[in-house]
Amino acid sequence: EPEVTQTPSHQVTQMGQEVILRCVPISNHLYFYWYRQILGQKVEFLVSFYNNEISEKSEIFDDQFSVERPDGSNFTLKIRSTKLEDSAMYFCASRNDRAVQHFGDGTRLSIL
Amino acid sequence: EDQVTQSPEALRLQEGESSSLNCSYTVSGLRGLFWYRQDPGKGPEFLFTLYSAGEEKEKERLKATLTKKESFLHITAPKPEDSATYLCAVQAKTSYDKVIFGPGTSLSVIP
Repeated sequence: EPEVTQTPSHQVTQMGQEVILRCVPISNHLYFYWYRQILGQKVEFLVSFYNNEISEKSEIFDDQFSVERPDGSNFTLKIRSTKLEDSAMYFCASRNDRAVQHFGDGTRLSIL
Repeated sequence: EDQVTQSPEALRLQEGESSSLNCSYTVSGLRGLFWYRQDPGKGPEFLFTLYSAGEEKEKERLKATLTKKESFLHITAPKPEDSATYLCAVQAKTSYDKVIFGPGTSLSVIP
């Protein structure tokens, strides 16, 4: 069964550094998403992306965040200058025309 | 403000002991309600989508139902492998993309 793949599984970064989280969505999907889950808290929507542009974003997704689909298979989340509070699990999701979003297993981001 | 609450926060069942998990939601027009299962260190795994009050979906030992204000996930004769966190999420008609998750119910099924 096709699945969403995320790399790396764990990323450790110094505060203030830039980090890029990578995702390979399911191949025939056209809608892409990033969510985060701080330890012990809810899964929170960050951003959705369709047709090479952001379609919706939350108040969490401020100027330090950006997303990109650099080629036909990858979807990335960049955090420009990381803060301690960016430590969380980051999940990528994708869907086709149906409503159901399918999630990857996440990247655990640890900011030191 | 759109929001989702779930109860109980944690549930411990003996194998074979049936029960229900509750999801209450407040949303400005429901586009869809989703149930996901999340295992430790993993992403949410899709279980069901419900679109309108009165709708029911079943899969193995799980059955999801929907009313205008809440959804229930019924677990019949659970097995230890059903142990996981069950997440409820909603999508409002005002948003085509954003899904709002509840805090989840952590289920433990004891052999």
